[in-house]
Amino acid sequence: DIVLTQTPLSLSVTPGQPASMSCKSSQSLLHSDGRTYLFWYLQKTGQSPQLLIYEVSNRLSGVPDRFSGSGSGTDFTLEISRVEAEDVGIYYCMQGKQIPPFTFGPGTKVNIK
Amino acid sequence: QLVQPATEVRKPGASVKVSCTASGYNFNDYYLHWVRQAPGQGLEWMGRINTATGGTEYEEKFQARIAMTRDTSVSAAYLDLSALTSADTAIYYCARGGRLYTRGGFDVWGQGTMVSVSS
Repeated sequence: DIVLTQTPLSLSVTPGQPASMSCKSSQSLLHSDGRTYLFWYLQKTGQSPQLLIYEVSNRLSGVPDRFSGSGSGTDFTLEISRVEAEDVGIYYCMQGKQIPPFTFGPGTKVNIK
Repeated sequence: QLVQPATEVRKPGASVKVSCTASGYNFNDYYLHWVRQAPGQGLEWMGRINTATGGTEYEEKFQARIAMTRDTSVSAAYLDLSALTSADTAIYYCARGGRLYTRGGFDVWGQGTMVSVSS
């Protein structure tokens, strides 16, 4: 199975400042179809997860443009250009390249200073 | 949207069947996944069902005691988990995956069903 490692596990950010988090995969997530199946989710406290980014860098409709995803192969990054209070929660990356199973990273917890 | 019951309570050794009813889209066009989250823990993928054919793929650790089914007449999917132990105490989410035969992310989630296993 593909293992995803996320760093840091916890991040404390001042509102209006940027935030960045990493997701590293044990294998390349580039599929033979040319797509890279790396996704980012945010789970706010007491809520279901919500999909933010699909295939590395594509924002789901309605996701603010302060969220951006980048990376390739085994190394990926989610950046928030200016953190807002509503961005607090746990961010998970997930791979869909080698399935089953889909696998999630352990999460990065973001809170506000 | 995906609607799930809020809670289920079972004793160790019992089974649970969690429902997930879809609305607002063509149920037969998308995979339906099940993901669970133990208290204070991360997300764990359990398996998915092809809603058109009923074909399933499961995480290996659940193979012996899991079954996913669907009823297209009511746009509902079901997760059956047997031989429950306290380690199965978790929130169980259903989530819409990509269109059939694609590898899309999970863009619609149910509100989750809290399954408690206790004697």
